[in-house]
Amino acid sequence: EAGVAQSPRYKIIEKRQSVAFWCNPISGHATLYWYQQILGQGPKLLIQFQNNGVVDDSQLPKDRFSAERLKGVDSTLKIQPAKLEDSAVYLCASCLGAPPYNEQFFGPGTRLTVL
Amino acid sequence: AQKVTQAQTEISVVEKEDVTLDCVYETRDTTYYLFWYKQPPSGELVFLIRRNSFDEQNEISGRYSWNFQKSTSSFNFTITASQVVDSAVYFCALSEDYNQGGKLIFGQGTELSVKP
Repeated sequence: EAGVAQSPRYKIIEKRQSVAFWCNPISGHATLYWYQQILGQGPKLLIQFQNNGVVDDSQLPKDRFSAERLKGVDSTLKIQPAKLEDSAVYLCASCLGAPPYNEQFFGPGTRLTVL
Repeated sequence: AQKVTQAQTEISVVEKEDVTLDCVYETRDTTYYLFWYKQPPSGELVFLIRRNSFDEQNEISGRYSWNFQKSTSSFNFTITASQVVDSAVYFCALSEDYNQGGKLIFGQGTELSVKP
């Protein structure tokens, strides 16, 4: 079974530029999460989708971050414009059924560096 | 409020030593789930265990064991006879009941270094 795919793996941008990350969850997984992991910290949830609807985006900085999940499968996370403090690893996770009864499977992450 | 505390930032042991990683959590819910994840240098979080709040039985899986104590709000993880491949950052996480969407609240992580 293929795991959660993410691209790109690494991205370096200047502050105030835009960037987008892509996530392809495990086939059939209805729930998709985006987490932000700042160096030395645990991941923090940014947004959760159930199929193509948003369940929780309370910690998403909506003035600069946006996310969508078209057709309930792939998802993109965008930052526009980026700030220095956005430097982090962005992790995508998916879950088969109703969380937390089912484990979340994580992708390899996208490491973003904002200069 | 939900919170997970991993007080040990870094631990260094020599191969074959036993090591315990501490995890203390805070929640007002009576139904919740606790998790441990491993994050090796490659960066991908690997699921190790899930425990619900109604099951206080300790669990053993090979060299890994987990001790869940509701009385002290702790969910500690022990690696017996550690190996170099155990070197990673380990995260403890909390998830409250289904209505919270199942999001994981992570601790700060404990970086374990196992030296040969």
